[in-house]
Amino acid sequence: GAVVSQHPSWVICKSGTSVKIECRSLDFQATTMFWYRQFPKQSLMLMATSNEGSKATYEQGVEKDKFLINHASLTLSTLTVTSAHPEDSSFYICSAEREWSSYNEQFFGPGTRLTVL
Amino acid sequence: GENVEQHPSTLSVQEGDSAVIKCTYSDSASNYFPWYKQELGKGPQLIIDIRSNVGEKKDQRIAVTLNKTAKHFSLHITETQPEDSAVYFCAASNPDYKLSFGAGTTVTVRA
Repeated sequence: GAVVSQHPSWVICKSGTSVKIECRSLDFQATTMFWYRQFPKQSLMLMATSNEGSKATYEQGVEKDKFLINHASLTLSTLTVTSAHPEDSSFYICSAEREWSSYNEQFFGPGTRLTVL
Repeated sequence: GENVEQHPSTLSVQEGDSAVIKCTYSDSASNYFPWYKQELGKGPQLIIDIRSNVGEKKDQRIAVTLNKTAKHFSLHITETQPEDSAVYFCAASNPDYKLSFGAGTTVTVRA
């Protein structure tokens, strides 16, 4: 159990366009999902925390108007990169939090490779 | 905020030998310590975790130890196999449930 999917797995877009990435928890409900960004050979950087039915909480330095997050249901969160530019090219990974006792385990999706030309 | 340091950054071992990765954390309120394995082009996969009320946990060839007093925890992989080659990340979670990750360790198992 605890499977998280992401779609698409990779996307190439032109500069100035918007791209939407979906994150789904397939076999559990997730009140909270997280969006991370990972550059080559680096660790995961938390971008924002997505809470079902409420506004996302963004980490310092992350532009909320550029990275729009919508968590409309207990199994789906979306990240939209608006007006994408080459510097937004990266590996975007989501995770979904499974509530378990006092500790909430995070299970990660397979990631989405975004390339902006 | 939480600061997690991970060592070594790269680790090369002979097949069949053991691999050890060590992490330290700064926030004494952290109470959950997962380890993730990430293969090239894929998302991190949870391989083992430990809670603050436990000192050691083992799952087949993988074990994790936690020393809360010293604020460090370690991953031990025994009888390494080529398929163990990957990047491993430690993480620490404080009560607001955000994960802070280490920088990662690239493990290469030589056949």
